[in-house]
Amino acid sequence: AQKVTQAQTEISVVEKEDVTLDCVYETRDTTYYLFWYKQPPSGELVFLIRRNSFDEQNEISGRYSWNFQKSTSSFNFTITASQVVDSAVYFCALRSRGSTLGRLYFGRGTQLTVWP
Amino acid sequence: EAGVTQFPSHSVIEKGQTVTLRCDPISGHDNLYWYRRVMGKEIKFLLHFVKESKQDESGMPNNRFLAERTGGTYSTLKVQPAELEDSGVYFCASSQVGQRGFSGANVLTFGAGSRLTVL
Repeated sequence: AQKVTQAQTEISVVEKEDVTLDCVYETRDTTYYLFWYKQPPSGELVFLIRRNSFDEQNEISGRYSWNFQKSTSSFNFTITASQVVDSAVYFCALRSRGSTLGRLYFGRGTQLTVWP
Repeated sequence: EAGVTQFPSHSVIEKGQTVTLRCDPISGHDNLYWYRRVMGKEIKFLLHFVKESKQDESGMPNNRFLAERTGGTYSTLKVQPAELEDSGVYFCASSQVGQRGFSGANVLTFGAGSRLTVL
């Protein structure tokens, strides 16, 4: 079975603070992909990153960084020096090779609010 | 390029009525998906088209939901008759077909969703 857990329902921070969004996943497959999507107030889901199960290197993109740890089945997302524009709902998702092509399993999302 | 377009953005109907949601995928994307998010819950898979064929419709809640993709272009999702529990945001997404038939690495591009409220 595939499952994604985002335990943090809501997070509020003040601008310039760092914030980490947690994501824990479950799958029995050895080949899988992990994703993060951002849903700003406009509603669309915006792709942020994809990570495959064979690549545990952490990734940094500007103020965003991702920490993938297979040992703990986690794929956490950190925003450094948060800004008001980072306010959105963030979803972590999993797709495994054993599941139907393209079928993603999402977590419940974390609502991030960044106050000025 | 134009993104995934969904219409309407918001629909309010009464229980028992019919609603049809439309999705226009990115041109050239053979894969088209429907997902749904009920308030506060996960975004859940409904079904997957490859061109005009239903690849997987195991996520469809019941037979009140009918999805079509005539001609392999746009898709419609009809709910008839609508029930209160059908309220939520319906997302459409599209992607290209991957090499050797595996699209696992392909990124899904989502639309802004159609919010359905059933009173």
